[in-house]
Amino acid sequence: DIVMTQSPDSLAVSLGEGATINCKSSQSILYSSNNKNSLVWYQQKPGQPPKLLIYWASTRESGVPDRFSGSGSGTDFTLTISSLQAEDVAVYYCQQYHSSPPTFGQGTKLEIK
Amino acid sequence: EVQLVESGGGLVKPGGSLRLSCAASGFTFSNDWMSWVRQAPGKGLEWVGQIKTKAEGGTTEYAAPVKGRFTISRDDSKNTLYLQMNSLQTEDTAVYYCRTTYYGESAFDIWGQGTVVTVSS
Repeated sequence: DIVMTQSPDSLAVSLGEGATINCKSSQSILYSSNNKNSLVWYQQKPGQPPKLLIYWASTRESGVPDRFSGSGSGTDFTLTISSLQAEDVAVYYCQQYHSSPPTFGQGTKLEIK
Repeated sequence: EVQLVESGGGLVKPGGSLRLSCAASGFTFSNDWMSWVRQAPGKGLEWVGQIKTKAEGGTTEYAAPVKGRFTISRDDSKNTLYLQMNSLQTEDTAVYYCRTTYYGESAFDIWGQGTVVTVSS
């Protein structure tokens, strides 16, 4: 199984400041057919299911604010929030869909400083 | 509206069984792979298993902790996904989500609201 490791486990950022969450895969998750990385980022708020933010590591889902961006290649990926808003307080997960079983990172809890 | 609605959760004793259902609407259920993901209290997300379409053989796959105890099935005539859980253990206590995902030129990523399963004596 591909192991996904996120860092940090928790993060406190001031409103308006930027936040960066990292995700590392234990092996390449590059999909050769389109040369894109098979990685999604989810946001989960208490009592809610996860919400898709980013797919193919860097494609923003429709309706997601452009302050959210994804990047990375190889085995190292990043979710960046450019200017933290109060509604961004949540737990963020990365997940690979390159091979079965799909595997999630352990989550990063984002709070307001 | 595209929607997944889980039901069937509840309190069950260790060693017991439970069947979860997931009713789909707003999309062509029979064309989509379906999966179950669970989340133990205060913990992260864990993939439980998936089922392919009937056209692809309806093949199922399971996570190691549930293999041999859980069975995923689908009834395309009822647009419903099932998770039969047997020999339940306290570690199976979680919110169980059904979901369907597809990533191509655009993304199709739909989750239900979840149903709570508590395994306790």
